[in-house]
Amino acid sequence: DVQMTQSPSYLAASPGESVSISCKASKSISNNLAWYQEKPGKANKLLIHSGSTLQSGTPSRFSGSGSGTDFTLTIRSLESEDFAVYYCQQYNEYPYTFGAGTKLELK
Amino acid sequence: EVQLVESGGGLVQPGRSMKLSCAASGFTFNNYDMAWVCQAPKKGLEWVATISYDGSSTYYRDSVKGRFTISRDNAKSTLYLQMDSLRSEDTATYYCARHAWYTGVMDAWGQGASVTVSS
Repeated sequence: DVQMTQSPSYLAASPGESVSISCKASKSISNNLAWYQEKPGKANKLLIHSGSTLQSGTPSRFSGSGSGTDFTLTIRSLESEDFAVYYCQQYNEYPYTFGAGTKLELK
Repeated sequence: EVQLVESGGGLVQPGRSMKLSCAASGFTFNNYDMAWVCQAPKKGLEWVATISYDGSSTYYRDSVKGRFTISRDNAKSTLYLQMDSLRSEDTATYYCARHAWYTGVMDAWGQGASVTVSS
């Protein structure tokens, strides 16, 4: 199975700041990587697919980069609604696997 | 508006069975592959199974192979997960998700159904 190592597990930041979350695959997954946002009481939301393509409706302050084994989710100028848990997921091969998640908290 | 609504969760004893349903609306159900994803308490997301748009192909994670069955009824726009021989480690919230563009990307999710396996 492809192991997805996500870091950090926790991140504290203030509105207006920029943050980055790393996701490393145990082997090359090309650009078959997605990022999701999880918020209490809401359905999980697809933010980015294909490593760097914003899903329709994702604010432009979100960006994704990387290919192969190393990927990054960056959120610029954090807004209050961005404080949530973020997961990466590889869909290059079965079984699809997720990172352990990054909880972005308000500092 | 795309909606996925899970039902059928609850408390079940180890070794028993449970069937989850996911009612889909707001899109042409039979055009999309569908999936179940679970999340154990205070843990991350774990893909469970995927079924092709026409039901002809199914894929499972190893830990549920032979115990869980994913199926669909396109006439009813409903996805199912039959869970047999349940174990305590199957305790989780189970989410129904829509695959996008016949890939593994999941572009719509339900709110989840909670399953607790305990005596």
